[in-house]
Amino acid sequence: DIVMSQSPSSLAVSAGEKVTMSCKSSQSLLNSRTRKNYLAWYQQKPGQSPKLLIYWASTRESGVPDRFTGSGSGTDFTLTISSVQAEDLAVYYCKQSYNLLTFGAGTKLELK
Amino acid sequence: EVQLQQSGAELVRPGALVKLSCKASGFNIKDYYMHWVKQRPEQGLEWIGWIDPENGNTIYDPKFQGKASITADTSSNTAYLQLSSLTSEDTAVYYCARMITTQFDYWGQGTTLTVSS
Repeated sequence: DIVMSQSPSSLAVSAGEKVTMSCKSSQSLLNSRTRKNYLAWYQQKPGQSPKLLIYWASTRESGVPDRFTGSGSGTDFTLTISSVQAEDLAVYYCKQSYNLLTFGAGTKLELK
Repeated sequence: EVQLQQSGAELVRPGALVKLSCKASGFNIKDYYMHWVKQRPEQGLEWIGWIDPENGNTIYDPKFQGKASITADTSSNTAYLQLSSLTSEDTAVYYCARMITTQFDYWGQGTTLTVSS
């Protein structure tokens, strides 16, 4: 089983700040044939279904603001929000789909 | 417009069985893998499994083998999740989701299942 570890578990920031959160996998998510990392990021706001932000580690889903950036490869991945807005208050999950599927435990973004 | 409309909230007794539905519109489920995800109160997301509606093939997370059964009816464009031998541990919101390549691009609104006597 691939284990996904996210840190920190929660983060309190002020509007306008830059935020970085981490996701680490217990084995590489890089597919040697496709050269893609099978890692996605989802945002879940209170009372809502999750929403796709980033897939293949760094490809932004259509309609997602460009303040959201995914990076990393192999086992270490990062989601960066360049300038946090009030509407970004949510829990952020990473998910691997390299071998079955596994979600990380999430990073809860709170505003100061 | 792509939509996944899930069935309404359920309150069921321990030991019972329940079948949740996820009706798709705006696309043909035969063209996508359909997945189910569990979220316990104030907890994270757990992947349950998927179905290829074109041939009925399924894959489950080992934790849900024997607990969950995923089916699909292509004539009604609907995916189903059946959960058996229910306990309080099954109390959760259950989401269906459409997978495109390796990611979930559309999610249902979720069905709340409460297991209580």
